[in-house]
Amino acid sequence: KAGVTQTPRYLIKTRGQQVTLSCSPISGHRSVSWYQQTPGQGLQFLFEYFSETQRNKGNFPGRFSGRQFSNSRSEMNVSTLELGDSALYLCASSLAAGYGYTFGSGTRLTVV
Amino acid sequence: ELKVEQNPLFLSMQEGKNYTIYCNYSTTSDRLYWYRQDPGKSLESLFVLLSNGAVKQEGRLMASLDTKARLSTLHITAAVHDLSATYFCAGSPYNNNDMRFGAGTRLTVKP
Repeated sequence: KAGVTQTPRYLIKTRGQQVTLSCSPISGHRSVSWYQQTPGQGLQFLFEYFSETQRNKGNFPGRFSGRQFSNSRSEMNVSTLELGDSALYLCASSLAAGYGYTFGSGTRLTVV
Repeated sequence: ELKVEQNPLFLSMQEGKNYTIYCNYSTTSDRLYWYRQDPGKSLESLFVLLSNGAVKQEGRLMASLDTKARLSTLHITAAVHDLSATYFCAGSPYNNNDMRFGAGTRLTVKP
């Protein structure tokens, strides 16, 4: 069966721009979470969505936002990009709490 | 907020040797997960540990969970080069998917 699909795989943006990343979870998975991975900070939790509702949120500024659609697909948006937003953004989906996550291949965002 | 600490952060092993990676967490975590990440790749799920005393094994890797000590271990038996990767542990409460990761252990297995 298809895994978690993230698009695009690579992205280069300029400071001040905004960006939208997309994630299609495994069919039947209703929980989608987003993580930011950087060499300095490691894997940091951004937010989790379940049935179109944000259930959990990490410690990121309001420039980072997300949403989930009725088909469980999710998007995250980063506005007013900063150089420090350069990272690998990982989306993960889960059947339910406690089942663990399956991760997508990630979107590598470079802000110049 | 759950804090997860792994040690060591870097581990260089000889092939054929055994070693253990430790994962401590700060508050009650009813679920403990181990993931593997190869350079430039995403995370691959290795183990999901759901209860105190849980032990799971896959090949040369064995994971265990002690919720009273707030400790999980990943034991590597007779390491081979293919096990070279970064290993992450993560924890989450029972009732939600707010999963927090440790810093990762970068394992290098040398011939």
